[in-house]
Amino acid sequence: LAKTTQPISMDSYEGQEVNITCSHNNIATNDYITWYQQFPSQGPRFIIQGYKTKVTNEVASLFIPADRKSSTLSLPRVSLSDTAVYYCLVGDGSGYGNKLVFGAGTILRVKS
Amino acid sequence: DAGVIQSPRHEVTEMGQEVTLRCKPISGHDYLFWYRQTMMRGLELLIYFNNNVPIDDSGMPEDRFSAKMPNASFSTLKIQPSEPRDSAVYFCASRPGGVPGGEQFFGPGTRLTVL
Repeated sequence: LAKTTQPISMDSYEGQEVNITCSHNNIATNDYITWYQQFPSQGPRFIIQGYKTKVTNEVASLFIPADRKSSTLSLPRVSLSDTAVYYCLVGDGSGYGNKLVFGAGTILRVKS
Repeated sequence: DAGVIQSPRHEVTEMGQEVTLRCKPISGHDYLFWYRQTMMRGLELLIYFNNNVPIDDSGMPEDRFSAKMPNASFSTLKIQPSEPRDSAVYFCASRPGGVPGGEQFFGPGTRLTVL
């Protein structure tokens, strides 16, 4: 299973754009890159996933370079409610995210 | 859909007692997962099922832990006997089959405290 590395924590202010970068040097050909968000006392919640290039949805964008050895989650104009732990994950090489390995994640603190 | 449902939400028990955690996956989802989260070890996959059949239980810590899925809408995780080090938040998740990628739908979790 490919291991991911991401910053332990980040601080930001309301209204700013936040970029969290994750490295996954050993990503397998069939792996998708998936990001989850977790608030205290809640289960993780899927944010976005991608395979290559750029993906955008209503809450975030995901940038993936051609070599796929890293990815960047971009949160536009964060608010206090975006304070959470963000996990970057890759799969088990099957293309299906059944054996997801959650790392320590990045604690994002948004200040007013 | 109500999402993944877990019960109880909180469980406090004494060492040596049997604990049963319950999960109802999202209707139509073919995969069900059990995770455990602690401060020390983070979020760990314990076991997952496909169409009610256990596929990978390599994350189950020891024989005191067992999981069953008697039908597509119900699964249990049992700890017998429980120990203080089993204290954690246990999450159940589900996902549909045939959909590539890593999206799983998590329940609210069961916070277990073993005294």
